[in-house]
Amino acid sequence: DAGITQSPRHKVTETGTPVTLRCHQTENHRYMYWYRQDPGHGLRLIHYSYGVKDTDKGEVSDGYSVSRSKTEDFLLTLESATSSQTSVYFCAISESGHTYEQYFGPGTRLTVT
Amino acid sequence: DAKTTQPPSMDCAEGRAANLPCNHSTISGNEYVYWYRQIHSQGPQYIIHGLKNNETNEMASLIITEDRKSSTLILPHATLRDTAVYYCIVRVPDSGGYQKVTFGTGTKLQVIP
Repeated sequence: DAGITQSPRHKVTETGTPVTLRCHQTENHRYMYWYRQDPGHGLRLIHYSYGVKDTDKGEVSDGYSVSRSKTEDFLLTLESATSSQTSVYFCAISESGHTYEQYFGPGTRLTVT
Repeated sequence: DAKTTQPPSMDCAEGRAANLPCNHSTISGNEYVYWYRQIHSQGPQYIIHGLKNNETNEMASLIITEDRKSSTLILPHATLRDTAVYYCIVRVPDSGGYQKVTFGTGTKLQVIP
């Protein structure tokens, strides 16, 4: 299995609080991605990174920000959590942006009450 | 992207080969066939991909018909841990600056003891 970890694995937080999720990889892959998965919507890309300090928006980026200060770490921050952000969040990595071959982490289940 | 059609569900006896079909009759010449799976409560897992030749790795084999309009993913000796939803995706690997993994409805494979 690709060396991808996510922390925390589960979190319950209150509406309006900031939340940061961490993705850590040991594969030295250049590209990293944050997705959310919800019933009826499938996987949706939030943000992605194509290198240290290089990030861009995906299809559902509103209310989320990301940072990548090291190759191995990609942080996702919910600036002010809302109930609509209750979801399972997956981090993924790939060697290049051209390939559809991505390796996913175990996920973080976030509940916003 | 070419549309794919998969049966919604299949059963397979443990230890037997699981053959999962995918139809992609509108596939274009530069589109690859990718397979992913998602085991319940886990992150998606890349399995294999191919263009026109049959491919094999430690997880599975991919058989693509000569006209490329359909393919079959083969798990040679299915185990209970292979119970998952399997997704067939057709994509051009280098279109755009990044790739976002998106799934259709997939095939729910149930491996039976």
